Amino acid sequence: DAGVIQSPRHEVTEMGQEVTLRCKPISGHNSLFWYRQTMMRGLELLIYFNNNVPIDDSGMPEDRFSAKMPNASFSTLKIQPSEPRDSAVYFCASSPYPRTGVNSYEQYFGPGTRLTVT
Amino acid sequence: AQKITQTQPGMFVQEKEAVTLDCTYDTSDQSYGLFWYKQPSSGEMIFLIYQGSYDEQNATEGRYSLNFQKARKSANLVISASQLGDSAMYFCAMSPMDTGRRALTFGSGTRLQVQP
Repeated sequence: DAGVIQSPRHEVTEMGQEVTLRCKPISGHNSLFWYRQTMMRGLELLIYFNNNVPIDDSGMPEDRFSAKMPNASFSTLKIQPSEPRDSAVYFCASSPYPRTGVNSYEQYFGPGTRLTVT
Repeated sequence: AQKITQTQPGMFVQEKEAVTLDCTYDTSDQSYGLFWYKQPSSGEMIFLIYQGSYDEQNATEGRYSLNFQKARKSANLVISASQLGDSAMYFCAMSPMDTGRRALTFGSGTRLQVQP
C-alpha cells in the first residue's frame, strides 16, 4: 500500500516567493494533519482536517500560511510570501480516524518537504 | 494543555541489549493516546507503537513494547535486542481522543546510538 505522498521533497526559494506544498493521504484515511519541524521548536501542528474540513488551525503561524483540502485525496499548504524563518521540514500525516478500530488513532507521516527560504 | 517530557537527550546501547527510553506526560484529559515515533537520519517519521489511556495491557509490537504506568504518567519505550538499524531519534507523543483535538504533542526526542 502506498503511504502518505508529499511533493516536492526539497524546495529552495527566495524570500517573498509563493511556496506550495502538496500531500496525498493514505486512501481511506479520514484525517489529515500538517506539522512543521524545526530545531528550535521541534514538531508542532499547523492544521488538522477531518473529512476535508479544517478542525484545528490554531498552529498556523499567520495569514501568510493557508491550507486547503479540496477532496479526500489531496491537500495543499501554501506560504505567501515566504520568509527565511519559514525554513523547516513540513510533514503531512494521515489517520483512519474516525473509523473505529484498534489502530484508528495512529498517524502515518509522509517523507516530509524540506523548505529552505533564502 | 498537554506536555511530553523526554529527559534523555542521548542514549548509547550495545547491540543485542535492551534499552528503555523514558517519557513522562501531563494532561488533564481523561481519554488520550500515547505514541512513539522513530526518525532515522533520512528524516522520515516512522510510527512504532500506540497505547490508549484505557488499555489495561501494555502495547507490544515486535521488539517494541510500551511500559505504561498511568499513575506515574509515564510511557517508556522498551526496545529489546537492539540492532544497528535502531540508531535514530525517538519521539514520544500524545493526543486527546477527541475529534476536535487530535493534534499530536511531541517531546523533544532522544537520540539513540546502537554500538556494535
